[in-house]
Amino acid sequence: NAGVTQTPKFQVLKTGQSMTLQCAQDMNHEYMSWYRQDPGMGLRLIHYSVGAGITDQGEVPNGYNVSRSTTEDFPLRLLSAAPSQTSVYFCASSMKTRDRGLYGYTFGSGTRLTVV
Amino acid sequence: SQQGEEDPQALSIQEGENATMNCSYKTSINNLQWYRQNSGRGLVHLILIRSNEREKHSGRLRVTLDTSKKSSSLLITASRAADTASYFCASRQTSGSRLTFGEGTQLTVNP
Repeated sequence: NAGVTQTPKFQVLKTGQSMTLQCAQDMNHEYMSWYRQDPGMGLRLIHYSVGAGITDQGEVPNGYNVSRSTTEDFPLRLLSAAPSQTSVYFCASSMKTRDRGLYGYTFGSGTRLTVV
Repeated sequence: SQQGEEDPQALSIQEGENATMNCSYKTSINNLQWYRQNSGRGLVHLILIRSNEREKHSGRLRVTLDTSKKSSSLLITASRAADTASYFCASRQTSGSRLTFGEGTQLTVNP
């Protein structure tokens, strides 16, 4: 059971380039989210999805797009990279429960992105 | 803005001592969760406490929740050097599906 797989692990982009961060989970989780982690700021939610075909914006969505065509995959696209997007990006997934609340999220190991 | 704030930002203790970390949040929640992050790694879920629960235990972890004060605490008893990590609280608001994280507490356990 692989859990949540993120690729690539490291990436360097030039300002203005675009790229897609891949995220895949094999646990049949309905909920998936993308976070970025910056020093001293904890994790900030970029976009999230509660199921295939459904996405919504988090706290810091500008400059990023997502889609959820399948339950397993939730790619994050950087449209035109900027130095302010230098960060560590985490994908996470969780089951949806009928009662009140989520199970805990399972996190990927992260993508460390540098924009120069 | 961050939903949660954690206190202290950093904590250094000796092996065998207890470590207490606190978390405050701003809006009504469905549940509150605690995560651990080792340096350079992803986050690992530790424990979840629902809004109608006041205390929960898991091994050496004890979590409390006070919804009237909008606060939670994580107690790690008999700490070990391997507990050295950053600890984050995360809250799920009653409206919506988002999980919002605090800024974390860096715990160092000295052998």
